[in-house]
This record gives sequence, structure tokens and C-alpha cells, in this order.
Amino acid sequence: DIQMTQSPSTLSASVGDRVTITCRASQSISGWLAWYQQKPGKAPKLLIYEASSLESGVPSRFSGSGSGTEFTLTISSLQPDDFATYYCQQYNSYWTFGQGTKVEIK
Amino acid sequence: EVQLVETGGGLIQPGGSLRLSCAASGFTVSSNYMSWVRQAPGKGLEWVSVIYSDGRTYYTDSVKGRFTISRDNSKNTVYLQMNSLRAEDTAVYYCTRAVGRGDFEYFQHWGQGTLVTVSS
Repeated sequence: DIQMTQSPSTLSASVGDRVTITCRASQSISGWLAWYQQKPGKAPKLLIYEASSLESGVPSRFSGSGSGTEFTLTISSLQPDDFATYYCQQYNSYWTFGQGTKVEIK
Repeated sequence: EVQLVETGGGLIQPGGSLRLSCAASGFTVSSNYMSWVRQAPGKGLEWVSVIYSDGRTYYTDSVKGRFTISRDNSKNTVYLQMNSLRAEDTAVYYCTRAVGRGDFEYFQHWGQGTLVTVSS
């Protein structure tokens, strides 16, 4: 089974900050990685697929990069609506999620 | 517009059974990979099961032999039959539609979720 490890688990930031979340896979997943945003009491929302492709309707301040085993999600300028939990997910072999990164207000 | 509406959650005693339904609209379930993903209270996301467009089904190890995924093409609905429920199955269960390229598909659409609580 492919394991996904995100860091950090919690991130404190201010509006306007540049934020980076890292996701590591236990084996190569090529570029088969997605990122999701989840707010309390809501279903996850797709942000990025194929490591770096922005889902339609998602603001351009979100970007993804990486391949193989190392991936990052970057928010270029954090907005009030971005305080949420973010999950990476591999879909190279079935599906596995990272444990999540909570972005909270500093 | 794609919509997924889950129903069937509730409070059930350990060892009991429950069937979740996911009614889809805006697309045809039989032409897509449909999955169930769960989230225990305060925890992360866990993929549970998938039914492929060709009918193949797969499960995460912890539910094999207890859960069964199926679909009714005439109702455009996906089901998750859950038997021998345990306390650790307590979670919000989400129905998802996967899209992508070939065998590499991610979860583009999610339902609102239905809560399953296993407790005596």
C-alpha cells in the first residue's frame, strides 16, 4: 500500500502570507496526485489534480508542483476563505490520503 | 449539474447492518468510477470502496468481507451495504465520482455525506 505523509500537521499563518504544504509518497506515484480543501462540516473540494493542474473555478493563488514522491501545494497570498484543512491524495494505486494539514489564523 | 445525494446513515448497534444510498444526477453512474470515502469524527479521509464502470469492485482491507458496493443503473444509484458494523466504522460516509485518465482517476465530485454511528 502507498502511504502519504503531509507536513506540517498544523500551520499558523496570516492573511497575505505565502503558504506551502508538503506531501510525500512512500513510493513513486508519478504525477498522480490531487489536493483537496475541507472546511468544518463540509465535503472536501478538489483544488489540484495531476500534481499541478488547477481545477476549474479554483483561484489561481493555489498551485501544485512535484512528481515521483515529493509534492507541494502553495497558496501564494492567503485569503480569509483559505483557512481550512488540506489533504493530498495519491491515485496511482487505488486511493490514499495524507493525514491533513490544518491552516489556522495566526 | 452533477449532484450526489447520500442517504441511509444513522445510529446502529455493533454487529448490525446498514445500507447507504447515493443518488446521482447529471451523469451516469455506470460509466464512471464511483467510490465511498469515510471520515471518522475529528480524523482524516479514508477511501473505503470503489465500483468501476466495468463492474469490478475493490475494498480497503478493514472492510473486506463486511461491506459490499453495488449500483442500480435504472435508478442511477450506488449503494454501500455495511454488515457486522463495529465502533471503528463510525464516520461520515461520502459518495464520490472519479474522473481522470484511464486507470488514474481522482475524486472530482462529492456528496454532502451521511453520518453512521455505531454504538450500543
